[in-house]
Amino acid sequence: KQEVTQIPAALSVPEGENLVLNCSFTDSAIYNLQWFRQDPGKGLTSLLLIQSSQREQTSGRLNASLDKSSGRSTLYIAASQPGDSATYLCALHDRGSTLGRLYFGRGTQLTVWP
Amino acid sequence: SAVISQKPSRDICQRGTSLTIQCQVDSQVTMMFWYRQQPGQSLTLIATANQGSEATYESGFVIDKFPISRPNLTFSTLTVSNMSPEDSSIYLCSVRGVGEKLFFGSGTQLSVL
Repeated sequence: KQEVTQIPAALSVPEGENLVLNCSFTDSAIYNLQWFRQDPGKGLTSLLLIQSSQREQTSGRLNASLDKSSGRSTLYIAASQPGDSATYLCALHDRGSTLGRLYFGRGTQLTVWP
Repeated sequence: SAVISQKPSRDICQRGTSLTIQCQVDSQVTMMFWYRQQPGQSLTLIATANQGSEATYESGFVIDKFPISRPNLTFSTLTVSNMSPEDSSIYLCSVRGVGEKLFFGSGTQLSVL
């Protein structure tokens, strides 16, 4: 069974810092990996999706990388802002499972203070 | 991206009662997915809802406790039956969109007293 771990569990930084959030997984036979943002008491917003054949994806100040061989993905946030404060979740589609069955980490709770 | 409307957004319920959560999508989708997020935990898939057939439940989840309806390609409901405080969670519906991204509704925050 796929296990997904996110480190750190929580992170508090001043505005303007560049951040790296880490995600590791135990089985490299993945279909794709998706990063989400979750605001308190809300649903999930999709940020980036990386196919298993890709190494990275970029959207604005966000860059996600994927290294299947080492079972790792990182989410890089440049020039952080208070509006980035949220919980960031990584989730992956396992090749042995139905598409739609995502394995989630517990998330990194990010606080960016002015 | 798919737009998903989920109702209710939150509810406080008494032990032993049932709550039905609705999920409406702005486009036709083959599969809809129901997830649960218990406090401090990661999301866990409850079941996959296919139109025209019975839902497929994940290990640890049963139809009697979480009956699901899927009457058409844009709508689904999840019922949490005979609730106990352990059912207090956020329940989310999800669909797969273009490019295989999964999109989620805004969630239903359920508290059981």
